[in-house]
Amino acid sequence: QSVLTQPPSASGTPGQRVTISCSGSSSSIGSNTVNWYQQLPGTAPKLLIYSNNHRPSGVPDRISGSKSGTSASLAISGLQSEDEADYYCGIWDDSLNGWVFGGGTRLTVL
Amino acid sequence: EVQLVQSGAEVKKPGESLRISCKASGYSFISYWITWVRQVPGKGLEWMGSIDPNDSHTKYSPSFQGHVTISADKSISTAYLQWSSLKASDTAMFYCASGYYYDNKAFDLWGQGTMVAVSS
Repeated sequence: QSVLTQPPSASGTPGQRVTISCSGSSSSIGSNTVNWYQQLPGTAPKLLIYSNNHRPSGVPDRISGSKSGTSASLAISGLQSEDEADYYCGIWDDSLNGWVFGGGTRLTVL
Repeated sequence: EVQLVQSGAEVKKPGESLRISCKASGYSFISYWITWVRQVPGKGLEWMGSIDPNDSHTKYSPSFQGHVTISADKSISTAYLQWSSLKASDTAMFYCASGYYYDNKAFDLWGQGTMVAVSS
């Protein structure tokens, strides 16, 4: 069981806004910045958000990240079929002295 | 082109040894940590450990410490993940990743993955 907790699944219809949560602790999210990764079926993960709310070049602005206290969220607005993927939060954990990932959330576009 | 290219898929028997590789190109290999991530089929991402290619200082997840070895050869910009005695439970996809674009703040550059299947 991961030290970062994500819902196993999320869903939405095209055009909707969905959010995916990531709950941690004072030694993880409470102390460090959160990254989000997208993994399309059969492919390597891709960085989607770094340092809580920064988008790498090429990531559309309908995707955003936020952090408050020991929790973080990934928001995807204007949902598209191409967004159907697994999403993982990831962070450095001070108490574990290592990187940790959330268990992942499978997003389904209905 | 900035990329990480991993070695090909492997099929091994329990008890056998294995080393898979991750070759970096297009950037200064010694400037950014390389991390190995495991993904068991149908499951999530797991951090295995990371290495500083400049001095080969390594950090391991407690879950993998003692079962795998991470190393790097900076002369050929290549990192390695190796097992001395594989188990069936080692069957998984393994990814290497780097923090090149955002100064080690995140895993922003990924290899294509190496599938390892261990079966008798």
